[in-house]
Amino acid sequence: DAGVTQSPTHLIKTRGQQVTLRCSPKSGHDTVSWYQQALGQGPQFIFQYYEEEERQRGNFPDRFSGHQFPNYSSELNVNALLLGDSALYLCASSDGTGYLSEQYFGPGTRLTVT
Amino acid sequence: DAKTTQPPSMDCAEGRAANLPCNHSTISGNEYVYWYRQIHSQGPQYIIHGLKNNETNEMASLIITEDRKSSTLILPHATLRDTAVYYCIVRAYTSGTYKYIFGTGTRLKVLA
Repeated sequence: DAGVTQSPTHLIKTRGQQVTLRCSPKSGHDTVSWYQQALGQGPQFIFQYYEEEERQRGNFPDRFSGHQFPNYSSELNVNALLLGDSALYLCASSDGTGYLSEQYFGPGTRLTVT
Repeated sequence: DAKTTQPPSMDCAEGRAANLPCNHSTISGNEYVYWYRQIHSQGPQYIIHGLKNNETNEMASLIITEDRKSSTLILPHATLRDTAVYYCIVRAYTSGTYKYIFGTGTRLKVLA
């Protein structure tokens, strides 16, 4: 049973560009959450998708957007990249909106903005 | 949202119990405490969670104080592979869904 997968593993972009990160949830999970983890910091909640809708959002600007597909996979898009967007981006999946189950995290995508 | 406070680092001798404290004094009555760990910037790994009763599983034990303002994660016999950053998390319920609020974590180093 595959766990949460993310692609790509690493990515280098230039300031001002746009980036798309992808996540496939653990089998049987229908809820996907995205986190940003700066170096030396704990993960910060970006947003959560359930039933193809954004259900909750953290304190991130509108440059950060997402999408969830009918197969429950998800994308995170970041526009107008800033140097400060360099971070490890983590995807986590759970069953339903997470009441009874823990979140399972993927290995992350390391984004470097130059 | 409730916040957590953890010591930035701790050392533990291999084979001894590792006791990792967490303060969550603003936690609400229906908010759970979760513990995850992260090794070498991999994705965080679930350890254990609880609401108000002490919990134990094959990995660890979780002791929550009666007033729920703090908790302690116990790794009963720490090994070198337990070296990681340990996060104490409050799971908040807002807008009909749950989200995890991470702190800065405790970097546990298990010494041979």
